[in-house]
Amino acid sequence: QKEVEQDPGPLSVPEGAIVSLNCTYSNSAFQYFMWYRQYSRKGPELLMYTYSSGNKEDGRFTAQVDKSSKYISLFIRDSQPSDSATYLCAMARRGYSTLTFGKGTMLLVSP
Amino acid sequence: DSGVTQTPKHLITATGQRVTLRCSPRSGDLSVYWYQQSLDQGLQFLIQYYNGEERAKGNILERFSAQQFPDLHSELNLSSLELGDSALYFCASSAAADSTDTQYFGPGTRLTVL
Repeated sequence: QKEVEQDPGPLSVPEGAIVSLNCTYSNSAFQYFMWYRQYSRKGPELLMYTYSSGNKEDGRFTAQVDKSSKYISLFIRDSQPSDSATYLCAMARRGYSTLTFGKGTMLLVSP
Repeated sequence: DSGVTQTPKHLITATGQRVTLRCSPRSGDLSVYWYQQSLDQGLQFLIQYYNGEERAKGNILERFSAQQFPDLHSELNLSSLELGDSALYFCASSAAADSTDTQYFGPGTRLTVL
């Protein structure tokens, strides 16, 4: 079993839809949770960074962490064609520099 | 633009050869990370340097090596290349040494081994 599991998609939605992207993990030592967005042929860019359980909102994006279920989510409201990209979840343990990534979910938002 | 630069953008070479990938971190960042991204394995952490010293090691093959120079730029050396080494190689940088600090990724180097 991989440490971080993420459905590769693709996930296709119409413009304006609410998108839900998810990751599950097996290592209970993970305490820092991140979502990166990666456009085709570009490097990943950080979207959201959360510590431990709870919700964090930034504009149209909401990150949710449920440590009891080892489950994290990213919600995108009012999705736009420009949101079409691959979304990678990443996790880290306290005091460690290593990030463990999911394989990424490809999102396609059609106009 | 993340502020992290990587050269070259593309590299095509043959099996058995050796290549060097270069990374310049964001101004002021002391940590440099190297990652490999392939369709099979996703984004895999290879190695981290902090202020010139090796800080953490991931799934880096013995044929691969890296270093960080006094001006903080870093080079990843890949030798005895195999077809399976074809991948995107990303460099990331951060100010601090641990994961509490945001890692900023460069645009990557696409390596093709023929």
